[in-house]
Amino acid sequence: GAGVSQSPSNKVTEKGKDVELRCDPISGHTALYWYRQRLGQGLEFLIYFQGNSAPDKSGLPSDRFSAERTGESVSTLTIQRTQQEDSAVYLCASSSTNSGNTIYFGEGSWLTVV
Amino acid sequence: GENVEQHPSTLSVQEGDSAVIKCTYSDSASNYFPWYKQELGKGPQLIIDIRSNVGEKKDQRIAVTLNKTAKHFSLHITETQPEDSAVYFCAASKQGAQKLVFGQGTRLTINP
Repeated sequence: GAGVSQSPSNKVTEKGKDVELRCDPISGHTALYWYRQRLGQGLEFLIYFQGNSAPDKSGLPSDRFSAERTGESVSTLTIQRTQQEDSAVYLCASSSTNSGNTIYFGEGSWLTVV
Repeated sequence: GENVEQHPSTLSVQEGDSAVIKCTYSDSASNYFPWYKQELGKGPQLIIDIRSNVGEKKDQRIAVTLNKTAKHFSLHITETQPEDSAVYFCAASKQGAQKLVFGQGTRLTINP
């Protein structure tokens, strides 16, 4: 597609349940990022994938958070045993050396844990 | 690691006036500085960026300046319009590392 695509756009889940958020990066983009944005706050780095290199997981807040990426395409962010403090917008982004490494964001997945 | 400070947190200007948002960064190795605009309910959109080999870049009503010695960079919006109202984020990264570190954002309101 033309841009970074994320699904679902909105998700309401009960505390303790697991959730999966999906990201389709811009075609051909080798780098993929996940960020978290709490209401009214800045963007908090979670994880970064670059090609076949080991991902940079330094931003994951706890072991309840994990992410996978299939080759250089789709990524899934999984949050296990969700807590109310996990409520936020989860933003995916991608970039490519062919685009000057400019990072493009999707519209985000709004997660509400009740 | 890198730390980016952004101010002001809120800014209100009259339509037609200029707006300036400033950011400082801590890591002298950072060499890429983008600015993003985020409208309510949407993802951040890149509006302009600057790399450390230049001191200023302009795109119509938007300009960014970079002072590497002082480790600060600024966004300038001239002839502001109501559609400029949004939250603006600055960021910094080392080109090789790619991970962007963001400022806390500035909520810009343009008063008609």
